[in-house]
Amino acid sequence: GQQLNQSPQSMFIQEGEDVSMNCTSSSIFNTWLWYKQEPGEGPVLLIALYKAGELTSNGRLTAQFGITRKDSFLNISASIPSDVGIYFCAGRDAGNMLTFGGGTRLMVKP
Amino acid sequence: GAGVSQSPSNKVTEKGKDVELRCDPISGHTALYWYRQRLGQGLEFLIYFQGNSAPDKSGLPSDRFSAERTGESVSTLTIQRTQQEDSAVYLCASSLGLAGAQTQYFGPGTRLLVL
Repeated sequence: GQQLNQSPQSMFIQEGEDVSMNCTSSSIFNTWLWYKQEPGEGPVLLIALYKAGELTSNGRLTAQFGITRKDSFLNISASIPSDVGIYFCAGRDAGNMLTFGGGTRLMVKP
Repeated sequence: GAGVSQSPSNKVTEKGKDVELRCDPISGHTALYWYRQRLGQGLEFLIYFQGNSAPDKSGLPSDRFSAERTGESVSTLTIQRTQQEDSAVYLCASSLGLAGAQTQYFGPGTRLLVL
């Protein structure tokens, strides 16, 4: 099946720093999605990307859909303590099914 | 409520017992998905339902796993003869449909521990 490699697996950063994480795939996706999951909750959609090359922002979050359609990155600028959580990328294929990356666990030190 | 709800929130069971997990999707959402999330890992697709169409069961890991959905409402995921490896968070999501732009909204999950 399809594989999504997400990196880094975890990050421990100082409040105010910028964060970058990415996902790469062995196959093409039509849509890239980025979710955040907090303890005891289900994932919540942060950003959706629908076209190759698309760059989309949502507040301090910026994500891009790679030109090859096999990768995407998420940046968080000026991190704050409430950014703590696990961030997942997900790719949607032609069959409308989602494949999730393994997650990036973000920890922010005040 | 306005979101996807799941019950129970936590379930501890003994190896070999059957368990039933319930999902109430957002009203009006025709598509419903079940995922499994093992500790520290991403989400594994299990099964999805779209309206009255036959469900896609391609992600179910074994014949001990089954799911039902009545119309466009509640779904139940059943795990028979549970094994310790079944311990995980089981997440349900729903969306308006399967069209490419439809967002999946997740419930809080059921945390299953098999002793």
